[in-house]
Amino acid sequence: GAVVSQHPSWVICKSGTSVKIECRSLDFQATTMFWYRQFPKQSLMLMATSNEGSKATYEQGVEKDKFLINHASLTLSTLTVTSAHPEDSSFYICSARVPGRAGYTFGSGTRLTVV
Amino acid sequence: KQEVTQIPAALSVPEGENLVLNCSFTDSAIYNLQWFRQDPGKGLTSLLLIQSSQREQTSGRLNASLDKSSGRSTLYIAASQPGDSATYLCAVRAVNTGNQFYFGTGTSLTVIP
Repeated sequence: GAVVSQHPSWVICKSGTSVKIECRSLDFQATTMFWYRQFPKQSLMLMATSNEGSKATYEQGVEKDKFLINHASLTLSTLTVTSAHPEDSSFYICSARVPGRAGYTFGSGTRLTVV
Repeated sequence: KQEVTQIPAALSVPEGENLVLNCSFTDSAIYNLQWFRQDPGKGLTSLLLIQSSQREQTSGRLNASLDKSSGRSTLYIAASQPGDSATYLCAVRAVNTGNQFYFGTGTSLTVIP
């Protein structure tokens, strides 16, 4: 139980296009979803926190107009990378806290390559 | 700001050996510490979670310890197997920043058959 399904697992897009990444909580309600980014040989870094029905909170240095987060329901949060550039190529992963449990569950991640 | 460091960055051992991975963090005000496994190009698999009030957790061949006052945790893997080859990440959930996780850069483990 307590699965977060993340899609797509990998995507290659052309520079200037937009890419949407989805994270769905399959068997629980996720009022909060965390979005992380991992560059090669670096640690996972929190980008933003999305809350169902309200605006996302972005970490310092993360462009909110470039990384659009929508958390319209208790089971779905999306991250859209707008006007993607090669430097946005990274591994993106979402995470949610499972109600009643101490730990967090993570999606399987999305490998984005912008060419 | 919380900083998490993992040593060593990479480790290669022959099959069957016991090994220890280290994680240190700078701010002892944490809710919990979690160890994850990450396979190449894939997401995270949670291995063990230790609450701030706990000293250790065990699951199968894995044992994780936590010394919150000194800012250290270790992950002990007994009788290593080739299937254990992966990157191991530790992460702390900091009190002062609510639900945010701070991750280490990981230890890349290779178990040689």
